[in-house]
Amino acid sequence: QQQVKQSPQSLIVQKGGISIINCAYENTAFDYFPWYQQFPGKGPALLIAIRPDVSEKKEGRFTISFNKSAKQFSLHIMDSQPGDSATYFCAASLRTSGTYKYIFGTGTRLKVLA
Amino acid sequence: ETGVTQSPTHLIKTRGQQVTLRCSSQSGHNTVSWYQQALGQGPQFIFQYYREEENGRGNFPPRFSGLQFPNYSSELNVNALELDDSALYLCASSSGAYNEQFFGPGTRLTVL
Repeated sequence: QQQVKQSPQSLIVQKGGISIINCAYENTAFDYFPWYQQFPGKGPALLIAIRPDVSEKKEGRFTISFNKSAKQFSLHIMDSQPGDSATYFCAASLRTSGTYKYIFGTGTRLKVLA
Repeated sequence: ETGVTQSPTHLIKTRGQQVTLRCSSQSGHNTVSWYQQALGQGPQFIFQYYREEENGRGNFPPRFSGLQFPNYSSELNVNALELDDSALYLCASSSGAYNEQFFGPGTRLTVL
């Protein structure tokens, strides 16, 4: 019940196209949903995050769509660029006994073709 | 503002040895979380430290232990290393209501 399921595992998009990555969860106690971008050999970098009382959040070319009833959220990357080629992780935050524990998805490897 | 830093960058150990990894949290952050990231996988929560106390633990055995110091920096210690401990170890610091976590570059541990 604490899993976060992420799809697809890998994604190839043409430059200028839209990249869409989806995540689903079961535990309704999750209260914060961040997305991270990770380049090879580097730590994950926080990209954008949303709270469950909001259905959409946009920052530049990155948008999170959140569907509370379906327990799903997705990352949309508009006008995808070769520099966006990286692995993307969704996560969900669960507060238990004062600890904010992040549960990560398994990652999506995005390749944007020039 | 200094970000999260970790040392060393890479480490090679043999099975049965012990290892200590270090993390300096971002300025103003009082909480440090440690994660293990196996190749091709998402990070897995090991434990979290808040004000020098362990404040939550994931599904890792007791040979994984940690410390947090008064300046909020932290150490991860792993005893009796096993081959499966080979992974990228990530430290994340945070503060605030939703514990927004910022990750360091990680330490790549290889156990032979």
